[in-house]
Amino acid sequence: DVKVTQSSRYLVKRTGEKVFLECVQDMDHENMFWYRQDPGLGLRLIYFSYDVKMKEKGDIPEGYSVSREKKERFSLILESASTNQTSMYLCASSLARGGSYNEQFFGPGTRLTVL
Amino acid sequence: QQPVQSPQAVILREGEDAVINCSSSKALYSVHWYRQKHGEAPVFLMILLKGGEQKGHEKISASFNEKKQQSSLYLTASQLSYSGTYFCGTEASNSNSGYALNFGKGTSLLVTP
Repeated sequence: DVKVTQSSRYLVKRTGEKVFLECVQDMDHENMFWYRQDPGLGLRLIYFSYDVKMKEKGDIPEGYSVSREKKERFSLILESASTNQTSMYLCASSLARGGSYNEQFFGPGTRLTVL
Repeated sequence: QQPVQSPQAVILREGEDAVINCSSSKALYSVHWYRQKHGEAPVFLMILLKGGEQKGHEKISASFNEKKQQSSLYLTASQLSYSGTYFCGTEASNSNSGYALNFGKGTSLLVTP
């Protein structure tokens, strides 16, 4: 089974802190994604990566950056956390596009609270 | 960019059927369906590709109207375990966003005894 793990289930940080959210997948997937999930807004894409050291902005990249130094690990960085970044953060991974094989596998999520 | 899902919420009795719709304003290459139970990660249910290929859950079916850029998820003879929030995710045909999906806001489904 594909496993996507995230470093923390719950995180509490203060405004202005630099925050690192880590995601690791164990199935050699090329693609990795970071979403935030807020009530009534669904899943919104922050950043994604289709290869090591490659990154692409999603729909809401402002205030975030990412790092992918190794294929299995994709990090989301909040440079200076703000209260409006309080949210559930979900990481996902998928194989490269190949017909029916690009289903996404999600991690359990990190609920981040910024005070 | 976000696909539109309808209805926003539905309540069923066990054994009843439901249809959840997903509509996009863009030409689509694929539509994905996921279910998320409370406090858990979204789980893949179904993918429908332009051209008719499908892959997914045995007990759940879906359709993809390529001309209308619409997909529907059919839940028949619903079980209590079907409760959760259903998301569609779409991949545009002319997307330069790699394999990223645009997700709808979700449809909350509650199946009661």
